[in-house]
Amino acid sequence: GQNIDQPTEMTATEGAIVQINCTYQTSGFNGLFWYQQHAGEAPTFLSYNVLDGLEEKGRFSSFLSRSKGYSYLLLKELQMKDSASYLCAVKDSNYQLIWGAGTKLIIKP
Amino acid sequence: IAGITQAPTSQILAAGRRMTLRCTQDMRHNAMYWYRQDLGLGLRLIHYSNTAGTTGKGEVPDGYSVSRANTDDFPLTLASAVPSQTSVYFCASSDGVGTGYTEAFFGQGTRLTVV
Repeated sequence: GQNIDQPTEMTATEGAIVQINCTYQTSGFNGLFWYQQHAGEAPTFLSYNVLDGLEEKGRFSSFLSRSKGYSYLLLKELQMKDSASYLCAVKDSNYQLIWGAGTKLIIKP
Repeated sequence: IAGITQAPTSQILAAGRRMTLRCTQDMRHNAMYWYRQDLGLGLRLIHYSNTAGTTGKGEVPDGYSVSRANTDDFPLTLASAVPSQTSVYFCASSDGVGTGYTEAFFGQGTRLTVV
């Protein structure tokens, strides 16, 4: 079966750095997405990786290793507004998105 | 403002009743999707449509039906609601089918409670 694993919850301090990991086992691979979802709101797109390596976008970076079935989302200079759930999703061989359950990130002052 | 609109935003529904959740997008995206999101389970695909006039079943299609008469609208119908269909429902759309990078845009969600 297809599976996406992420930690359920993480806690970090304002101003610090946090890394959210995602491992996947899917039938085929056509890219990996990270989305942010604030409580009670819709998911919004953060990043996309299809080749191995690091993609940087401001305070957020996303890394992919296809051989290891592994990705991480790195958030720097954490702000209180970064408190949200972070969803990892993989596009499989049918170009359908397979979603992880999400990681709830709690930022403390 | 361009995007996806869902209606209603929330609903309490008696078990056994029929209900249609509405979804409209104005971005002219080919593909549209219906997901349900339950605590601890993440987003699960109910039905999808790659283009107007076609639909397909996702991971959890039982008890739901969809139609795609035109590009903009993708309603989801619960023929006879059951309590296990209590969930938050998200409609989404994306441009392009069969390609890797196609960002999905989501509606604001419909919170449905079946009692």
